[in-house]
Amino acid sequence: DTEVTQTPKHLVMGMTNKKSLKCEQHMGHRAMYWYKQKAKKPPELMFVYSYEKLSINESVPSRFSPECPNSSLLNLHLHALQPEDSALYLCASSRAGESYEQYFGPGTRLTVT
Amino acid sequence: GQSLEQPSEVTAVEGAIVQINCTYQTSGFYGLSWYQQHDGGAPTFLSYNALDGLEETGRFSSFLSRSDSYGYLLLQELQMKDSASYFCAVRAGNQGGKLIFGQGTELSVKP
Repeated sequence: DTEVTQTPKHLVMGMTNKKSLKCEQHMGHRAMYWYKQKAKKPPELMFVYSYEKLSINESVPSRFSPECPNSSLLNLHLHALQPEDSALYLCASSRAGESYEQYFGPGTRLTVT
Repeated sequence: GQSLEQPSEVTAVEGAIVQINCTYQTSGFYGLSWYQQHDGGAPTFLSYNALDGLEETGRFSSFLSRSDSYGYLLLQELQMKDSASYFCAVRAGNQGGKLIFGQGTELSVKP
């Protein structure tokens, strides 16, 4: 199984809402990533988890809160977002120490109104 | 710091060969990756070069020259389905878990 799944596919939320994005992989990967991608731009790294511990936070605003409940799951909790946070949010996974070969999920298209 | 440069757009016809170049500046280099992303889709890993030379995978090949800080992705026998964005990427030297992407090259394949 080389699939990374993400739910929901689309999300529309108001600036006062709280929502969560979910990501799951069953490849036995011990590194997981959250990216934000705007149209016609490369993926922009937000967080890296390695062995279920947060190893990189790219100075992401606290309205984004990641969580890694176990080695297969990754969540991104959203609260009080701004319209400029509207983007495609991608989850990815890789073998630990092999960030050069990442497997991406289909993403969640987030719109903040 | 880290930076990668690649052309923003490339156009080619079906059946042709196209080369997408990538030059990089990094502190601590481990290797160069290539990803493909179709419009509305997720990035897909294509190849990784850690050592100098050419790696071939079907119609796609990737080349690396560490001394020139340069690599390229070669696509042969182009098909319409190859129309997509292609990103080169390097691992950040002091943050092994971080992959830094180039701005992407939008490839358009015409009939």
